[in-house]
Amino acid sequence: DAKTTQPTSMDCAEGRAANLPCNHSTISGNEYVYWYRQIHSQGPQYIIHGLKNNETNEMASLIITEDRKSSTLILPHATLRDTAVYYCIVTYNTDKLIFGTGTRLQVFP
Amino acid sequence: GAVVSQHPSRVICKSGTSVKIECRSLDFQATTMFWYRQFPKQSLMLMATSNEGSKATYEQGVEKDKFLINHASLTLSTLTVTSAHPEDSSFYICSARAAWIGWNNEQFFGPGTRLTVL
Repeated sequence: DAKTTQPTSMDCAEGRAANLPCNHSTISGNEYVYWYRQIHSQGPQYIIHGLKNNETNEMASLIITEDRKSSTLILPHATLRDTAVYYCIVTYNTDKLIFGTGTRLQVFP
Repeated sequence: GAVVSQHPSRVICKSGTSVKIECRSLDFQATTMFWYRQFPKQSLMLMATSNEGSKATYEQGVEKDKFLINHASLTLSTLTVTSAHPEDSSFYICSARAAWIGWNNEQFFGPGTRLTVL
């Protein structure tokens, strides 16, 4: 079973920041938080991952709370092409990516 | 970099026939490749993990004699659905993990293959 909880769906206006939350209250000390997204009828795309520090790359920022029980993926300026299902995955072993139901993000004009 | 391709992208076959799906890492070597299945409106489910030159490891509930996996090289893995039935109709997705330690250890996913069994 997935060890994360995410909202089923979210809306975001184009150009605004999209903040996608993820709860992982049972995370272990050696487990990372990975984020992937899946645009309709395509394979998942890696976005970002982190252990305990906040991370930023060209796609997004990842904010992990100090107790590591939750995190937020931030898309700073959402575009229509960011409409997708976003998966938050907690794992220490990238051989085992357990995909939950994810958050369906709809970016509207 | 880190592109994974799948062929074919779509396939329609008759019940009882076998279908082969190829997964290739185009610009990197992948010691490990993974096969997932995704039914409509559901999430991805890991079917099996394959390492180059060795037998695949199947997840619980996945029939290894029905879903044959071959990982003959560092850039190619194949999934053969044998004696396909309509309930095997699904979106099959492969992924590959780069052997280069400089990567983030993430899996890179292919675009998927939509199988429809009539």
